[in-house]
Amino acid sequence: AQTVTQSQPEMSVQEAETVTLSCTYDTSESDYYLFWYKQPPSRQMILVIRQEAYKQQNATENRFSVNFQKAAKSFSLKISDSQLGDAAMYFCAYRSAFFVAAGNKLTFGGGTRVLVKP
Amino acid sequence: EPEVTQTPSHQVTQMGQEVILRCVPISNHLYFYWYRQILGQKVEFLVSFYNNEISEKSEIFDDQFSVERPDGSNFTLKIRSTKLEDSAMYFCASSVIDSSNQPQHFGDGTRLSIL
Repeated sequence: AQTVTQSQPEMSVQEAETVTLSCTYDTSESDYYLFWYKQPPSRQMILVIRQEAYKQQNATENRFSVNFQKAAKSFSLKISDSQLGDAAMYFCAYRSAFFVAAGNKLTFGGGTRVLVKP
Repeated sequence: EPEVTQTPSHQVTQMGQEVILRCVPISNHLYFYWYRQILGQKVEFLVSFYNNEISEKSEIFDDQFSVERPDGSNFTLKIRSTKLEDSAMYFCASSVIDSSNQPQHFGDGTRLSIL
C-alpha cells in the first residue's frame, strides 16, 4: 500500500516571500500521479497542481511549482510571492496509474497548515 | 464553475441512529467518491462508485456503510448504526473520467458529530 507523509504540520511565511512544503511518499509502483490540494478554512479542497510520474519536467502553475524527485520519492510544493489568500491547509496526494478498479482512489498526506503574515 | 455540493454542512446524531449524507456531484461526472477525515488525522478513502455500483472500497467501509445514487443526481452515504468513532468530516468527490491525472473535485464536506 502506498503512504504519503507530510512532515511539516505548519509553516509560516511572510507575504510576498516563498515557502516550500515537503511531501514524501512510499510506493513500489513506477507510474503514478501526484497532486497538491489546497483547503481554505471551511471550504472545499481545490486542486493546486498535478504531476505525472513519467514526466521529468516539474509542473508549474503560476506562483505554484513542484520539485519532483522520483528516485527520492519526494514531491515538494513551492509557493512564490505568497499572498494572504494562500493561507490554507495543503494536502499532498498520490494516485496510482495502474488500473485496479474504476475510480482509483487518492491517498493523502496529513496536511500542512500555511500561515501567511501580512 | 460547477461545484460538488454536500448537505448538511453539519449533522449531529445520537449513537446507534442511522444517518444519510448527501452529495450532488458535478453534472457530467461519472465517478464518485467518499472520503472521511477524523479530527487531526489524514483524509482517508472510503469508497468509489461508478456505473451504479461500488468499484473499490476500503477496510473502513464495512457493512454499516452503504452508498447509493437514487435519482441520477444525488450520491448518498448511509451509515446504518452510527458509532462514536464515526465522528468525522465526510467529503464527497467526483471526476469526469477515470484517467488518473484528472482531478477529483471535492465538496465542502459534512461534519458528522455522534453523541
